[in-house]
Amino acid sequence: RKEVEQDPGPFNVPEGATVAFNCTYSNSASQSFFWYRQDCRKEPKLLMSVYSSGNEDGRFTAQLNRASQYISLLIRDSKLSDSATYLCVVKDSNYQLIWGAGTKLIIKP
Amino acid sequence: NAGVTQTPKFRVLKTGQSMTLLCAQDMNHEYMYWYRQDPGMGLRLIHYSVGEGTTAKGEVPDGYNVSRLKKQNFLLGLESAAPSQTSVYFCASSYAEAVGDETQYFGPGTRLLVL
Repeated sequence: RKEVEQDPGPFNVPEGATVAFNCTYSNSASQSFFWYRQDCRKEPKLLMSVYSSGNEDGRFTAQLNRASQYISLLIRDSKLSDSATYLCVVKDSNYQLIWGAGTKLIIKP
Repeated sequence: NAGVTQTPKFRVLKTGQSMTLLCAQDMNHEYMYWYRQDPGMGLRLIHYSVGEGTTAKGEVPDGYNVSRLKKQNFLLGLESAAPSQTSVYFCASSYAEAVGDETQYFGPGTRLLVL
């Protein structure tokens, strides 16, 4: 079993819709959680950190469910510019970052 | 500020050749990392450094060496390239953990093809 698993997609979503995807992690002692965004043939960039209480940044909401060991990302009112691959990242108990393979999102006009 | 830069951007090697990838950052970050990214897989850590003069092995260190002689530079060497090392290589840097900002800042990547 992979330590961090994501549905690879692609998720094809019409512009303006709401889309959500999850990421599961296997190590219950994981410390910190993040979502990064990676555009095609570009470097990853931090989208948001995921806090225990959940957090929101504009149209983006991230949630952590420690009991079920997953984090989620919700994007409301999706824009064409949201098309990208979203990478789930988990910091394990050894302070190493474990990266998911990413979920590809395509927003269609 | 340029952030994190990588050279070269693209390289083709023959099996057995050697090369060095250069990463430079101008954010005064303590930590630097080298990752490789392959299709269908998450980023995998090759080596990392928590400060000038220090290096440590990551998840997939075999076939690579690194050096951090200056705080702003982190070099990745391929001793004898193999086709399995065909990949996209990303360098990243971050503040020391005590600072509280865990963000990793990435360079634009180096695409390496080993024939």
